[in-house]
Parts: sequence; C-alpha cells; structure tokens
Amino acid sequence: DVKVTQSSRYLVKRTGEKVFLECVQDMDHENMFWYRQDPGLGLRLIYFSYDVKMKEKGDIPEGYSVSREKKERFSLILESASTNQTSMYLCASSFGGAADTQYFGPGTRLTVL
Amino acid sequence: DQQVKQNSPSLSVQEGRISILNCDYTNSMFDYFLWYKKYPAEGPTFLISISSIKDKNEDGRFTVFLNKSAKHLSLHIVPSQPGDSAVYFCAALRFTGNTPLVFGKGTRLSVIA
Repeated sequence: DVKVTQSSRYLVKRTGEKVFLECVQDMDHENMFWYRQDPGLGLRLIYFSYDVKMKEKGDIPEGYSVSREKKERFSLILESASTNQTSMYLCASSFGGAADTQYFGPGTRLTVL
Repeated sequence: DQQVKQNSPSLSVQEGRISILNCDYTNSMFDYFLWYKKYPAEGPTFLISISSIKDKNEDGRFTVFLNKSAKHLSLHIVPSQPGDSAVYFCAALRFTGNTPLVFGKGTRLSVIA
C-alpha cells in the first residue's frame, strides 16, 4: 500500500513565523504535489515536483516555497506565515505519468494566529 | 478562469437511490478525467477515471459517463449508501502534456438513511 505521511495533523503558528510542512512517501514516486483546500474553493495546487531538486509553480505559489532534496520528501515552506494561509494542506504523490493516480496524505490543518 | 466546474456545492440523496454528480470542463485539450472522494480529516482517495476515448467506465456501484461534445462528465452511484457521504472532486488533465491535475471545487454528497 502506498503511504504518504505528513509531519503534523494540526499546527498552530503565529503571524510572521517560518513554517515547515513535511511530506514523505514510501513508494519511490517521481511526482509530488502540495495543495491547499479551503471551503468553497476546492483543491488548489501550490507547487509540484517531477524529480529531485526540481520544482514547478502551481496556481497559487505566492507566499510559499518548496524543497525536494530527496526523492521521497517534499517540503512546503511558508517564509512568513499570514492569517490568510490558515488552511488544510494536502500533499500527494504519483508514480510517473501525468495520469497516474495521485495518492494523498491525511492533510495538515494549519492555523495562523 | 475555472477550467473544471462542479456547479452543485452539495447534494442530498436517500439511501438506495441513485446519486448523480456533475462536472463540466472548458479546456478541450483535457483527455483524461478522474473522480476523487474525500472524507473529513482525511486526504482525497482515487475513485474512478475515464479516458476521452471512452464514454463510460464502470466499477461496481460507480459509473462515470463522459460526453465530449458537451464537455461534461457525471459520476453515478447506484445504490447510494450512507458511507458514500463525502466530498467528491472531479479532476482533469492532458494526458500527453504531463501537466498536473486540475480539480473542481467539489460536491458534498449526503446520503440519508
């Protein structure tokens, strides 16, 4: 079974803090993705990566950066957290082709005060 | 501009009846479509997919229909069960473009016993 794990289920941070969200997958997947889910807005793609040290901007990259130093790990970084980044963050991975099924982690509910 | 639209934010259906969830897309280059299901506090899970070379794909109680000329797809669940209560996301991509999935905003299905 594919397993995608996220470092925290719930996180509370203060405005201006630097926040790291970690995602690890155990199936040697090439592709990894970060989304945020907000009520009424669905899943929005923040960043994705098709290979180690590669990254591509998604639809809403502003205020975020990512790091992929190892194939199994994809980190999302909020350089200076703001209240409008309060959201559910979901990490996903897929094997190779674009149409390969994406497997999602359980999500991190981030609250920025 | 939204490329994948799920115009019904919510749907209520009685147990045992058919649930029909609809999805429209605007990008004629999309040629592969997927449905994901999401329970609260969990990541989305893949449900069923369809390629544009088909107009129907069936998996147990779940059937997806694709109408390319109308740029419309629908997910049918028969018979609906209380455990089907979840948010359903429609997603689309260009198979050859290796571009990420584009998700709709989701439809919350409630199956009433």
